[in-house]
Amino acid sequence: QKEVEQDPGPLSVPEGAIVSLNCTYSNSAFQYFMWYRQYSRKGPELLMYTYSSGNKEDGRFTAQVDKSSKYISLFIRDSQPSDSATYLCAMSEWGGGYNKLIFGAGTRLAVHP
Amino acid sequence: DVKVTQSSRYLVKRTGEKVFLECVQDMDHENMFWYRQDPGLGLRLIYFSYDVKMKEKGDIPEGYSVSREKKERFSLILESASTNQTSMYLCASSLSRNANTGELFFGEGSRLTVL
Repeated sequence: QKEVEQDPGPLSVPEGAIVSLNCTYSNSAFQYFMWYRQYSRKGPELLMYTYSSGNKEDGRFTAQVDKSSKYISLFIRDSQPSDSATYLCAMSEWGGGYNKLIFGAGTRLAVHP
Repeated sequence: DVKVTQSSRYLVKRTGEKVFLECVQDMDHENMFWYRQDPGLGLRLIYFSYDVKMKEKGDIPEGYSVSREKKERFSLILESASTNQTSMYLCASSLSRNANTGELFFGEGSRLTVL
């Protein structure tokens, strides 16, 4: 079993839809949770970061962490064609000088006009 | 803006060839990483370095080596390329003081095909 599971999709939605992207994990020691966005032929870029449980909102994006269920989510409101990308969840146990991230496989999202 | 530059976007090599992948970052980051990205498997860490001349094995170091002679440069070496090393290779860098945020800055990737 992988430490981090993520449905690869693809997920296709119409413009304006609410998108829900999810990851589950098995390591209860994970404390830091991130979402990276990767456009085609580009490297990933950090989109959201959350420490421990709870919600974090940034514009149209909301990240949720439920440590009791070992489940994290990224919600995108009023989705736009420019949101079409692969979304990777990542998580780690601790920070310090080096933060070993475990990545999910990524979910490919297509938002069509 | 932080820039991580990978020298080759696309390479085609033959089995047994030695392959060098170069990565340069311009923001004085202490940490540098090499990942490979394969469909369905996500990003897997090959090697990382937290200082000049320092290196640590990641999760899949077999068949690879690295070199970090200068702070801004981190090279990945495939001593004898094999077909199962056909993949997208991503270089990344980070600041130690931002380690908790997990913020890695990635290059655009080098797609390697081994025939």
